[in-house]
Amino acid sequence: EIVMTQSPATLSVSPGERATLSCRASQSVSSNLAWYQQKPGQAPRLLIYGASTRATGIPARFSGSGSGTEFTLTISSLQSEDFAVYSCQQYNGWPHTFGQGTKLEIK
Amino acid sequence: EVQLLESGGDLVQPGGSLRLSCAASGFTFSSYAMTWVRQAPAKGLEWVSVISGSGVTTYYGDSVKGRFTISRDNSKNTLYLQMSSLRVEDTAVYYCATRSTPTGPRCLDYWGQGILVTVSS
Repeated sequence: EIVMTQSPATLSVSPGERATLSCRASQSVSSNLAWYQQKPGQAPRLLIYGASTRATGIPARFSGSGSGTEFTLTISSLQSEDFAVYSCQQYNGWPHTFGQGTKLEIK
Repeated sequence: EVQLLESGGDLVQPGGSLRLSCAASGFTFSSYAMTWVRQAPAKGLEWVSVISGSGVTTYYGDSVKGRFTISRDNSKNTLYLQMSSLRVEDTAVYYCATRSTPTGPRCLDYWGQGILVTVSS
């Protein structure tokens, strides 16, 4: 199976600053990569699919990039509601594995 | 409006069995592949299983292969996960999820609220 590795495990950033989260695949997943946001007690919410396409209703401050094995999620100017756990998922090959998540916390 | 509602979670002993259900509404259920994802306490998301819209094709994660069976009843708009030989490490919140279009990207746009399964003696 394809192993997805996210870094860092925890990222401390001040509101208004930029956050950059990374996701690496153990083999190429082309652009079949999604990012999810999850807040405590809630189900995950799809943010980005196709590595760089924002899902419906997702603000423009969220952007995704990368292809193959290296991917990045950037949040350009952090709002209070953005502090959450972010997970990447590849859907190029079965099983559609997730990364272990990056917790974005307030600095 | 798409709605997914899981049920069937419980406390079960190691080695036991349990069946989860996910009632779907707001879309043409039989046209959509359905997925189970789980999340152990304070852990990341783990992809568990998927079933095609017709029910013919299924895939499983390595950790549940041979112990869990995914199925669906399209006449009842319901997805199932039959779990057997349960282990302590199967303790998790289980989510059912699906994508927004039948043939679009296989990411997960819609999620249920999750149901807790606890495996403990």
